[in-house]
Amino acid sequence: GENVEQHPSTLSVQEGDSAVIKCTYSDSASNYFPWYKQELGKRPQLIIDIRSNVGEKKDQRIAVTLNKTAKHFSLHITETQPEDSAVYFCAASNAYGQNFVFGPGTRLSVLP
Amino acid sequence: DGGITQSPKYLFRKEGQNVTLSCEQNLNHDAMYWYRQDPGQGLRLIYYSQIVNDFQKGDIAEGYSVSREKKESFPLTVTSAQKNPTAFYLCASSPRLGLFADTQYFGPGTRLTVL
Repeated sequence: GENVEQHPSTLSVQEGDSAVIKCTYSDSASNYFPWYKQELGKRPQLIIDIRSNVGEKKDQRIAVTLNKTAKHFSLHITETQPEDSAVYFCAASNAYGQNFVFGPGTRLSVLP
Repeated sequence: DGGITQSPKYLFRKEGQNVTLSCEQNLNHDAMYWYRQDPGQGLRLIYYSQIVNDFQKGDIAEGYSVSREKKESFPLTVTSAQKNPTAFYLCASSPRLGLFADTQYFGPGTRLTVL
């Protein structure tokens, strides 16, 4: 089955700097890669996603890149703000969502 | 994700008791999922259902049971066979099935504590 690894497990950046979180997946059949943000005690919320027919997607300060050959995808947050502090989860899924697997999460702290 | 509700928000259970967690969605989503999250940990899949009257075990199904009698409802029962049930339980739903998977939207969660 699918296995998703995520690095780093914790990340601290200064406000205004960029943050990058990387995930690797094992199943070449995976074709959908979402990123979720979870604040303490709250539900995970989708912040951006990418499908396998696209190499990069951007939404304001957030971008995701996908390298299908290397089987990895990354979340990029620019101009970080304190409210970006949260746990971020990546996930990978194959056709029909039958193998929707989450990474272990990255705790991002943005220091003022 | 505002169309997915879970109840109760907090639940306390005595050892040896079964409890049922509610998950309802009014988004007309086909697929529904249950996850368990322990403190500081990721999401582990308990059960999922892609269609009414059908469901599949996830990675940690032992000690749990589900039903999917209606499209909008996917209750989870935590049985006394679950050795360590204290955790945060999240329900999710996904709009459609197809060649490309779709986003999962999460409910607000139920925090279960065994006394």
